[in-house]
Amino acid sequence: EIVLTQSPGTLSLSPGERATLSCRASQSSSSRFLAWYQQKPGQAPRLLIYGASSRATGIPDRFSGSGSGTDFTLTISRLEPEDFAVYYCQQYGSSFGQGTKVEIK
Amino acid sequence: QLQLQESGPGLVKPSETLSLTCTVSGGSISSSSYYWDWIRQTPGKGLEWIGSIYYSGSTFDNPSLMSRVTISVDTSKNQFSLKLSSLTAADAAVYYCARRSSTGWYLDHWGQGTLVTVSS
Repeated sequence: EIVLTQSPGTLSLSPGERATLSCRASQSSSSRFLAWYQQKPGQAPRLLIYGASSRATGIPDRFSGSGSGTDFTLTISRLEPEDFAVYYCQQYGSSFGQGTKVEIK
Repeated sequence: QLQLQESGPGLVKPSETLSLTCTVSGGSISSSSYYWDWIRQTPGKGLEWIGSIYYSGSTFDNPSLMSRVTISVDTSKNQFSLKLSSLTAADAAVYYCARRSSTGWYLDHWGQGTLVTVSS
């Protein structure tokens, strides 16, 4: 089983700043099956990125994903107020990371 | 627009079996392009994938759940279901159903989730 480790646990930033979230896999895996989700309190997760770098339908272009092998990154170029949430990576449709909370500084 | 809705009891006794159903609307559960999944979330363990089913009935599930999981599909009702046996307090969680792409394995539509409490 692949273990996904996300860092940092919490990211404190101001609106307009750039957010860089990391997801590291315990073994090399295909970028085709790496996804990122956003979750707000009381809501289900929402798909942001699939295939490591493809934006899901309706996701703004300030969200981008990159990476391969064991290291993957989600970047939010300029944080909007609605972007403060918890972000999860997922590999092979099963293993989830523990999440990174992006909070307002 | 595709929608998924979980239904089932919010309170289950320890050692009993949890039964949840996910009703899919706005799309066919018989599409060859998707699987149908169950995921749960607890404050302590975060998001945990439970298992998945194809419209044909093929399933695969999380080995860590020690074969307590049964997932079934009813294409005539556009529903799929989860049974989780031998419940303990550790099974208390928000349970989500979701649609999975059969090519990229990502979960592109989720239900709103249902809270399950395990208590006598």
